[in-house]
Amino acid sequence: DTAVSQTPKYLVTQMGNDKSIKCEQNLGHDTMYWYKQDSKKFLKIMFSYNNKELIINETVPNRFSPKSPDKAHLNLHINSLELGDSAVYFCASSHGGRTYYEQYFGPGTRLTVT
Amino acid sequence: AQKITQTQPGMFVQEKEAVTLDCTYDTSDQSYGLFWYKQPSSGEMIFLIYQGSYDEQNATEGRYSLNFQKARKSANLVISASQLGDSAMYFCAMRPRGTGNQFYFGTGTSLTVIP
Repeated sequence: DTAVSQTPKYLVTQMGNDKSIKCEQNLGHDTMYWYKQDSKKFLKIMFSYNNKELIINETVPNRFSPKSPDKAHLNLHINSLELGDSAVYFCASSHGGRTYYEQYFGPGTRLTVT
Repeated sequence: AQKITQTQPGMFVQEKEAVTLDCTYDTSDQSYGLFWYKQPSSGEMIFLIYQGSYDEQNATEGRYSLNFQKARKSANLVISASQLGDSAMYFCAMRPRGTGNQFYFGTGTSLTVIP
């Protein structure tokens, strides 16, 4: 049973296109996250979301938008893709509120923009 | 400000030796959690170990232990008896209570185990 799943695993697209990455967790967590990992392996938080609050990293371009149809899903939609968007995107989830809950990560989606 | 610092971009260790990966943090919160994750070349993020700010004992999980020095704000990961499969990126992370559900990650340390 996959705890946090992402689709697709690989995504190759051209500049200017719009694409979505789906994320689902079956852990019953109430908080989900999106991270971007660049070629230097730096992990950058993009969004965190629970059923009450969306926190957006202010450095994230507004071409990126999270969409949550329900508590178990947090999809990432990207408009007008740019070359610099090429990276690995990780979805993660956690129980909210307590500092001792770790994050569970999905397998990552490698996005390549040509 | 919340910050995690990993000053070792790359480390090498001989197989079967122990290695310490450094992590320092900065937070004004009194309550926080500290975590280490491993990312092998296959790319997945694997949770290794957790230490709470109020825990008096250092956390241990198998060959992993966390050397927690609260006054110095350090949370170093110690891997004993290194194995070739330990070669990976290692990330230190912090979850301060005051920021709710936010995690702060360091820049990572690349560990290579030499046979």
